[in-house]
Amino acid sequence: TQLLEQSPQFLSIQEGENLTVYCNSSSVFSSLQWYRQEPGEGPVLLVTVVTGGEVKKLKRLTFQFGDARKDSSLHITAAQPGDTGLYLCAGGTYYGGSQGNLIFGKGTKLSVKP
Amino acid sequence: EADIYQTPRYLVIGTGKKITLECSQTMGHDKMYWYQQDPGMELHLIHYSYGVNSTEKGDLSSESTVSRIRTEHFPLTLESARPSHTSQYLCASSEGFGQIDGYTFGSGTRLTVV
Repeated sequence: TQLLEQSPQFLSIQEGENLTVYCNSSSVFSSLQWYRQEPGEGPVLLVTVVTGGEVKKLKRLTFQFGDARKDSSLHITAAQPGDTGLYLCAGGTYYGGSQGNLIFGKGTKLSVKP
Repeated sequence: EADIYQTPRYLVIGTGKKITLECSQTMGHDKMYWYQQDPGMELHLIHYSYGVNSTEKGDLSSESTVSRIRTEHFPLTLESARPSHTSQYLCASSEGFGQIDGYTFGSGTRLTVV
């Protein structure tokens, strides 16, 4: 069974601080995605990374896919209250050479205080 | 403008009632999913469909049923609601297996069974 472990589970910081959240697995994934979910809404896709070692930047957010395609990190610079939410990672899977459903981690709940 | 719609957004019903949660998407996606999520917690896949007349149970045991008679419509039915069914239900769809473009989620239905 493929699992994605996210850490930390909860994170509370002050506005302006930097932070990194992690998504780790013992399995190789064909792609890795990050979503943000705000209270009362569904998750929204932020980014997809597909190549080992790939780094993508989205304004103050930096996403990295591990060289072995087993792990990923999300770094936020100068966090703002609007960054508050649940951050979920999801991995693209293959079973017997065929694509399968995305596997979701349990999420990191981020709270940024003004 | 949402491309995937869930109704109702909120529902409070009595124990034993039959309910149907609606989910419709306008993107022509073949694949659709239902997730159960307690507030701010992990997603649990309860049902999925790869196309018309195709439905499968997910990882989490559920007393609900689904149908897929039309590509755009994927309703979820609880024959006899119980307090243990109280949760947030999220519907999603994807182009292919979503490994590049991800899943598009609806805003969810918050169900409370009293």
